[in-house]
Amino acid sequence: DVKVTQSSRYLVKRTGEKVFLECVQDMDHENMFWYRQDPGLGLRLIYFSYDVKMKEKGDIPEGYSVSREKKERFSLILESTSTNQTSMYLCASSFGTGHSPLHFGNGTRLTVT
Amino acid sequence: GQNIDQPTEMTATEGAIVQINCTYQTSGFNGLFWYQQHAGEAPTFLSYNVLDGLEEKGRFSSFLSRSKGYSYLLLKELQMKDSASYLCAVRGNANDYKLSFGAGTTVTVRA
Repeated sequence: DVKVTQSSRYLVKRTGEKVFLECVQDMDHENMFWYRQDPGLGLRLIYFSYDVKMKEKGDIPEGYSVSREKKERFSLILESTSTNQTSMYLCASSFGTGHSPLHFGNGTRLTVT
Repeated sequence: GQNIDQPTEMTATEGAIVQINCTYQTSGFNGLFWYQQHAGEAPTFLSYNVLDGLEEKGRFSSFLSRSKGYSYLLLKELQMKDSASYLCAVRGNANDYKLSFGAGTTVTVRA
């Protein structure tokens, strides 16, 4: 079974703090993704990466950046948190395109006060 | 852009059948996925359709009509553990890595 592990389950931060969300997958998948999930809005794509050191903006990249130095690890960085970044953050990975599904981590619930 | 619509909530009785509809308007189409997500947990993959027709997997079936931009997920012989959110997601193009998701349908199964 594919395992996608997110470093923190719950985080509470103050406005303006810097946050790193870490994600590691163990199946040698090329593609990794960061989504945020909010009630009524569903999952929205922040950034994704299809190879080491490659990154592409998703639908809502503002206020976020990412890093992929190793194939198995994809980090989401919030340089200066704001209250509207309070959300559930989900990391996912996949192999190739076509019928390959995304495999998700358990999520990080971030609260910014 | 991508527009994926599904009902917000559905309620059904244990042992019954529920059909969750999903309509999509996307720039390109290269497959539709259904995921199940229990409260507080990660979404898990249920099914994939890329050609028109019905795909059956045990109690769950998924149907696709590409000409109508329409899919449904059919849950038969409902069990209490089927209470969850069900997410419809579309891959837009053949070379597209990402999925675009609908807002999800919360299904509540009553005894």
